[in-house]
Amino acid sequence: DQQVKQNSPSLSVQEGRISILNCDYTNSMFDYFLWYKKYPAEGPTFLISISSIKDKNEDGRFTVFLNKSAKHLSLHIVPSQPGDSAVYFCAAIEGGGADGLTFGKGTHLIIQP
Amino acid sequence: GAVVSQHPSWVICKSGTSVKIECRSLDFQATTMFWYRQFPKQSLMLMATSNEGSKATYEQGVEKDKFLINHASLTLSTLTVTSAHPEDSSFYICSARIPGLAGAYEQYFGPGTRLTVT
Repeated sequence: DQQVKQNSPSLSVQEGRISILNCDYTNSMFDYFLWYKKYPAEGPTFLISISSIKDKNEDGRFTVFLNKSAKHLSLHIVPSQPGDSAVYFCAAIEGGGADGLTFGKGTHLIIQP
Repeated sequence: GAVVSQHPSWVICKSGTSVKIECRSLDFQATTMFWYRQFPKQSLMLMATSNEGSKATYEQGVEKDKFLINHASLTLSTLTVTSAHPEDSSFYICSARIPGLAGAYEQYFGPGTRLTVT
């Protein structure tokens, strides 16, 4: 039973436009959410995170929005660049941070020139 | 900062043999490290939590006698796949948290180890 869901296996966006990656979760005990970027045969690279007490966190071109009532979060990348092409994983963790992460299946983002 | 390394980056072994994978935190001390596994086109699945100086905590369905974890120091955790079988072929990735930072739940990942069992 997947507790973190990324329903779009892939997403194609034109360079310069906004990329929006979505993530839904079912476990109401999750209180911290993270986005990772991953290239094939490499480990995930941390991008941005958000605590459940916030609804938005911004870092440069990356913004994460959290809607707790809908159990939904999204990652916005603007403007999208060719180097953003990768697989993006949404991850969640329960209180305390001592546990491992629960990952979604990932969304392959392709930035078209 | 927050660099995690893994060794080897890839390994091929014969069925029935054992393989050891090392995970090191290079610029910080990690009291807790995590081991994940990723099958092709699948998500990363947590296998176990490795705690320095104590026994590892395994996720449901992960055989602790098959996947031996040793967290010998604050900078090194090892995963040994014992009596490997072809179905153990996967991408194994470790991660670590930076301790002591309030609210810092971010985990930093190693580059991963591709294991192929023939």
